[in-house]
Amino acid sequence: QVQLQQSGPGLVKPSQTLSLTCAISGDSVASKSAAWSWIRQSPSRGLEWLGRTYYRSKWSYDFAPSVKSRITITPDTSKNQFSLHLSSVTPEDTAIYFCARVKPLAGWLDPWGPGTLVTVSS
Amino acid sequence: DIVMTQSPDSLAVSLGERATINCKSSQTVLYSSDNKNYLTWYQQKPGQPPKVLIYWASTRESGVPDRFSGSGSGTDFTLTISSLQAEDVAIYYCQQYYNAPYTFGQGTKLEIK
Repeated sequence: QVQLQQSGPGLVKPSQTLSLTCAISGDSVASKSAAWSWIRQSPSRGLEWLGRTYYRSKWSYDFAPSVKSRITITPDTSKNQFSLHLSSVTPEDTAIYFCARVKPLAGWLDPWGPGTLVTVSS
Repeated sequence: DIVMTQSPDSLAVSLGERATINCKSSQTVLYSSDNKNYLTWYQQKPGQPPKVLIYWASTRESGVPDRFSGSGSGTDFTLTISSLQAEDVAIYYCQQYYNAPYTFGQGTKLEIK
């Protein structure tokens, strides 16, 4: 059974970088069939897919245009986890952030992490 | 990006009655090479992440009650709850995984009348 556990600060100051980590159990971040995503949810933007990373013969990444200039997703095979870094945050980046696995050989998101509320405020 | 539009935004249905939620995509999510619709339905309850109900537009996830069904193809899809139970109160989302960026509908809030 795949489980995801999120960690990271719940408060970030404007203009700083938001960083969250998602630890994976029951699967591998370097799986050659799954992918690993970050999604956020806010009242104003609803559910917003931010990006994904996956390994086939090399690491690949896809990002949503809305955050493409500010986002990095970093896999860590030694710790079997992946991280989200979102730079230059503003209060509009306040949201619940979820990590999720992209179902192998498919595309829906399952399972999801429990979510982390991140507030951007000075 | 593919835009997903759900209707209605909210819905109140009596216990035991049918609930129907619609989802329309701005372009087809039917992949011609495998004839599959790259669309899923999630259920989200307060304080929880979304949970998969239906994938490939009409395949019920293991453990999901058979009162939940999905239908549609191409750009128009429907989630139906045949006989509403109290535990079905939630927000329902459709999502396309045809191509990145994956996109979600705005959600439909389902309540008991």
